[in-house]
Amino acid sequence: EVQLVESGGGLVQPGRSLRLSCAASGFSFDDYAMHWVRQAPGKGLEWVSGISWNSGSIGYADSVKARFTISRDNAKNSLYLQMNSLRPEDTALYYCVRDMGYGVQGNCDYWGQGTLVTVSS
Amino acid sequence: QSALTQPASVSGSPGQSITISCTGSSSDVGSYDLVSWYQQHPGKVPKFMIYEVNKRPSGVSNRFSGSKSGNTASLTISGLQAEDEADYYCCSNAGYSTVVFGGGTKLTVL
Repeated sequence: EVQLVESGGGLVQPGRSLRLSCAASGFSFDDYAMHWVRQAPGKGLEWVSGISWNSGSIGYADSVKARFTISRDNAKNSLYLQMNSLRPEDTALYYCVRDMGYGVQGNCDYWGQGTLVTVSS
Repeated sequence: QSALTQPASVSGSPGQSITISCTGSSSDVGSYDLVSWYQQHPGKVPKFMIYEVNKRPSGVSNRFSGSKSGNTASLTISGLQAEDEADYYCCSNAGYSTVVFGGGTKLTVL
């Protein structure tokens, strides 16, 4: 059974940093691209970042470019999101998501339960 | 990276068919057959419903179908049922390892 379990969320002040982690199990992690997708309270889905199976291709939404960094450790079956210079508008539930393919395609077949990030003073 | 455009809401009666549109541009929907659709019930995790424009993952009802013409993709739900009431999101590959979602459509089953 595919499982994606996010951690690392919490309350953080504006301008500070936070690192999210996602532990994957139940599939060959290094055969799939991965994404972070967020959802602000009461709002729609927003794609944040994606990374190919071997970290060779990475993309970011304009809203987080230069502030967030996605990475993965295939030996540890883990996905990460380093979030710097956090803003109140980054407040959201952050989902770890698997892509069906090796590359960043957008066919998001499995989703974690999410970890909540709240940016507030 | 502009969000794909979806109607804020659609509605239909049980048994009817409805279609949700998703309009992008020649940089995303128009360039790639990598459009997917997601269903989200309140407080739940999004569910993968359609991929690569018109393919259904295993376990998804054949009442759900997808299509694309030019820069606009569409999700059609036939034989509307009460449990179909949910929010629906489209998503497209936008090149250079980026992806874009639509703003979401609230489906109400009357």
